[in-house]
Amino acid sequence: NAGVTQTPKFQVLKTGQSMTLQCAQDMNHEYMSWYRQDPGMGLRLIHYSVGAGITDQGEVPNGYNVSRSTTEDFPLRLLSAAPSQTSVYFCASRGGTGTTNEKLFFGSGTQLSVL
Amino acid sequence: QKEVEQDPGPLSVPEGAIVSLNCTYSNSAFQYFMWYRQYSRKGPELLMYTYSSGNKEDGRFTAQVDKSSKYISLFIRDSQPSDSATYLCAMSTLLYNQGGKLIFGQGTELSVKP
Repeated sequence: NAGVTQTPKFQVLKTGQSMTLQCAQDMNHEYMSWYRQDPGMGLRLIHYSVGAGITDQGEVPNGYNVSRSTTEDFPLRLLSAAPSQTSVYFCASRGGTGTTNEKLFFGSGTQLSVL
Repeated sequence: QKEVEQDPGPLSVPEGAIVSLNCTYSNSAFQYFMWYRQYSRKGPELLMYTYSSGNKEDGRFTAQVDKSSKYISLFIRDSQPSDSATYLCAMSTLLYNQGGKLIFGQGTELSVKP
């Protein structure tokens, strides 16, 4: 049982380049989300999905696209990277029934630098 | 003003000390409160979960919620070097399957010295 798997762990981009951060979970969770973590800012929600085919914006969606074609996968796309997108990105999922389903399971993160 | 405020620290204590970590918030509709622990270069993991006001204890950890003061706390008794991590508070107004979004504090970096 791998939980939430993120790839790559590290990435360096040049301004204007595009890339996709991958996220997969094997817990059959309905809910998946992407956060970015910056010093002094905590975790901020970028996009989230409550099921396959359904996505919605979080607090800081600009510059990012997502799609959810399967329950397992939730990729995050940067179409034209900017230095302001230098951050650590976390994918997280949750599911199940009852109040314990509020627990978010996080991946190990992707450290992205945009030069 | 952020919805959730947390002193970023860093906080350094000797082994065995009692640690108090705190968050204040402005939205009185928050009713689900959590503490996550994040080790260096790892993703956060849920430590404590509390609904509404009151206390919850789990081993050396106690979570307190005071909704009248819009203030939550995490206490760590007999702190250990293995407790060294960043602690993030998080809260939401609704369950996630009701559309609730989890709002995080900035995180407090804790170091427990042997």
